Amino acid sequence: DIVMTQTPLSSPVTLGQPASISCRSSQSLVHSDGNTYLNWLQQRPGQPPRLLIYKSSNRFSGVPDRFSGSGAGTDFTLKISRVEAEDVGVYYCMQATQFPYTFGQGTKLEIK
Amino acid sequence: EVQLLESGGGLVQSGGSLRLSCAASGFIFSTYTMTWVRQAPGMGLEWVSSIRGSGDSTFYADSVKGRFTISRDNSKNTLYLQMNSLRAEDTALYYCATISSGWGQGTLVIVTS
Repeated sequence: DIVMTQTPLSSPVTLGQPASISCRSSQSLVHSDGNTYLNWLQQRPGQPPRLLIYKSSNRFSGVPDRFSGSGAGTDFTLKISRVEAEDVGVYYCMQATQFPYTFGQGTKLEIK
Repeated sequence: EVQLLESGGGLVQSGGSLRLSCAASGFIFSTYTMTWVRQAPGMGLEWVSSIRGSGDSTFYADSVKGRFTISRDNSKNTLYLQMNSLRAEDTALYYCATISSGWGQGTLVIVTS
């Protein structure tokens, strides 16, 4: 199974400041079809997960442009350019390149 | 817009069965691989099972293999998860998802011992 490791696990951030979450996979996420199936999810308190980024760097419909994803192979990053109060929650990376799909442990974003 | 609505969760005794459903709309259901993901109370996300668009290929987590069965009815735009021999550790919120475009609100399964 592919192991997904996120850092940090907790991220206190000042409003208006940037935030960054790293995700590393135990093996390359490049699929045989050439795509990299690495997604980023946001889960606000008491809410279901919400897709933010798919295939490493594609922002999903309706997601603010302050969210961006980057990376390739085994190293990926989610960046929030200016954190807003509504961004509080847990962020997960997940790989859908190979079954079983696997998730990172989650990174809790909180406001300082 | 992708819409996914789960139902069928509830309270069940250990060893019992439940069938979850997920009604889909807003996309061409038959062309999407569909997935069930669960989240135990206070824990992270765990992939449970997936099924290809045509229904001809299914995949399961080791923790549910042999006990859960995923299926779909493309004529009804509905995904199912038949859960048998339920255990306390199956207690979780179960989400239906397309993974690449949308997640449902979840349905809660509580297994009592």
